[in-house]
Amino acid sequence: NAGVTQTPKFQVLKTGQSMTLQCAQDMNHEYMSWYRQDPGMGLRLIHYSVGAGITDQGEVPNGYNVSRSTTEDFPLRLLSAAPSQTSVYFCASSPSEAHYGYTFGSGTRLTVV
Amino acid sequence: GQSLEQPSEVTAVEGAIVQINCTYQTSGFYGLSWYQQHDGGAPTFLSYNALDGLEETGRFSSFLSRSDSYGYLLLQELQMKDSASYFCAVRATFKARSYQLTFGKGTKLSVIP
Repeated sequence: NAGVTQTPKFQVLKTGQSMTLQCAQDMNHEYMSWYRQDPGMGLRLIHYSVGAGITDQGEVPNGYNVSRSTTEDFPLRLLSAAPSQTSVYFCASSPSEAHYGYTFGSGTRLTVV
Repeated sequence: GQSLEQPSEVTAVEGAIVQINCTYQTSGFYGLSWYQQHDGGAPTFLSYNALDGLEETGRFSSFLSRSDSYGYLLLQELQMKDSASYFCAVRATFKARSYQLTFGKGTKLSVIP
């Protein structure tokens, strides 16, 4: 099994551009989430989904959109990139919202110039 | 909201024992998790405590005291490969309708010969 796959691994955007970070899991997990990691800040929750068709905002949702049309995929869209969105983005999944152990993808390193 | 405190850096000698502490303030507490992250890598799940006491998994143990809002990760027989960042994370009520993981800022462990 591949686990949680994120693409791309690296991306440079210009301010104002939009893009989609892809996340796919092959473990039939119901719960998926997106975190951003900034130096000295730990991981902060952006959006999460408890199943196909169900999404909700996390701690830092502004500037990001998500959708969950299938169990496998949970893309994160940046609507109009800003330098403050320069970060490392991690997608995570678990069998359910109540499960205690998350499986993380390898991350997308995004730079906005 | 939730807040977690853990030391920013710890240094220990190969073969020794090290303890990484985590204190938290939260409402609707369900449990405390620990994750390991090597430089440039993804966080990986280590352990979870929902009840008071010690959980042991090989060289790693995790402890929780709910009454003191305190937990720790204990690493024994340290190896060079244990050099990494360690994050505590609380599972707690989020927006009164779900419960999500909130991460601490991480402790960078350096193992020296």
